[in-house]
Order: sequence, then C-alpha cells, then structure tokens
Amino acid sequence: QKEVEQDPGPLSVPEGAIVSLNCTYSNSAFQYFMWYRQYSRKGPELLMYTYSSGNKEDGRFTAQVDKSSKYISLFIRDSQPSDSATYLCAMSPNAGGTSYGKLTFGQGTILTVHP
Amino acid sequence: EAGVAQSPRYKIIEKRQSVAFWCNPISGHATLYWYQQILGQGPKLLIQFQNNGVVDDSQLPKDRFSAERLKGVDSTLKIQPAKLEDSAVYLCASSYWYEQYFGPGTRLTVT
Repeated sequence: QKEVEQDPGPLSVPEGAIVSLNCTYSNSAFQYFMWYRQYSRKGPELLMYTYSSGNKEDGRFTAQVDKSSKYISLFIRDSQPSDSATYLCAMSPNAGGTSYGKLTFGQGTILTVHP
Repeated sequence: EAGVAQSPRYKIIEKRQSVAFWCNPISGHATLYWYQQILGQGPKLLIQFQNNGVVDDSQLPKDRFSAERLKGVDSTLKIQPAKLEDSAVYLCASSYWYEQYFGPGTRLTVT
C-alpha cells in the first residue's frame, strides 16, 4: 500500500465549475500537508500549505485536512482554463530542524478546464 | 529573485552510459533536494542536502547514483551506468524553510 494515494483522473470540467481533488494517506506521522500545481514540462509550484487538521482559504482555492480520516482535499472555485495542470498532494511528518522537506507526494491528478 | 536552475533540460543516452545533471539553487537556500519523477507519478525524493552535508539518501540507488554539493551551493547528480528504468524527469528543489522551490527538471531518456 502506498503511503499517499491520489486519484490520477484525468478530470475534465467546464470553465466556472467547482473542482474537488482528494488524497488519502496511511502514515499518521504526517502533520504538514501541501498542494502543488505542475504545468506541463515545468517543476511543481506550491499552491497551499496547511498544518494539522482544518481549512485554509486563498482566493479561489480551499484546502481541507481531516486527520481523523487521513483525508485531504483541495477545492477550486470558478475554475479557469489557466487552472489546467497536474495537481500533486504532498505530506511531511512533524517538521523540525533538518526534517523540513521530506515530502511524500501523491501521483498527481491531471485537470483540464475547457472554455 | 532568480529561480532554481537546472541543466541540461533534455538528455538521451543509451543504457550502460553515464550522465550528469547540474543544479544551481536559489541564493541563500541551505537545503537542496533531488527528486525523480517517472511519467504519471509524483516526485520521489532521492537525496536531501543541508548545506554540503547529506541529510537523507535512503531512497538513492547508491550502486549507480551519486550526488554531491560542493561548497554548499551547486549540486550534481550522476548516474553510472544508466538503466532503462532510469528514464524520468530529475527535479532539483531548494528551500530556506518549509516551502520548496523546484527547477524545471531534466528529462532523461535511456534507450
């Protein structure tokens, strides 16, 4: 069993739709949860970062973490064609000192938003 | 602020040949990472440096892969000899704190 599971999609939605992306995980040591966006032939870029359980909103993006269910989500409101990319969830255990950055990634969900 | 630089962007080699990738992190970032991203998968950490010391290389295939970070700045990742299953994008990232900044990657094809 992989530590982080993510539905690879692909997911195709019309412009303006609400998109829901999800990951499940098995390692209860994960405390830091991130979502990265990766455009074709580019490196991933950080979208959202949350610590422990709860919600975080940034513009059209909302990240949710439910540690009791080992489940995280990213919601995109009013999706735009420019949101078309691969979305990667990533997780890290309790950070401290050089523990920063030992990220475990999901396999990514390919999202296409068509006009 | 300049981003993470990587070269070359693309490389095609035959199996059993050797290859090297170069990474220049963002200035001031003490932590540097090398990831392997196979098509259709998320990045997998190969090695993490803190300044010029190795923090984690548990997933680095040490019989064929090696990496160094001289003077705590630039880094090189080498594969010798390459296998077909090494075909992937090799991503370099750097961080000052928790946020990792990724370079564009080097796409390696082993034939």
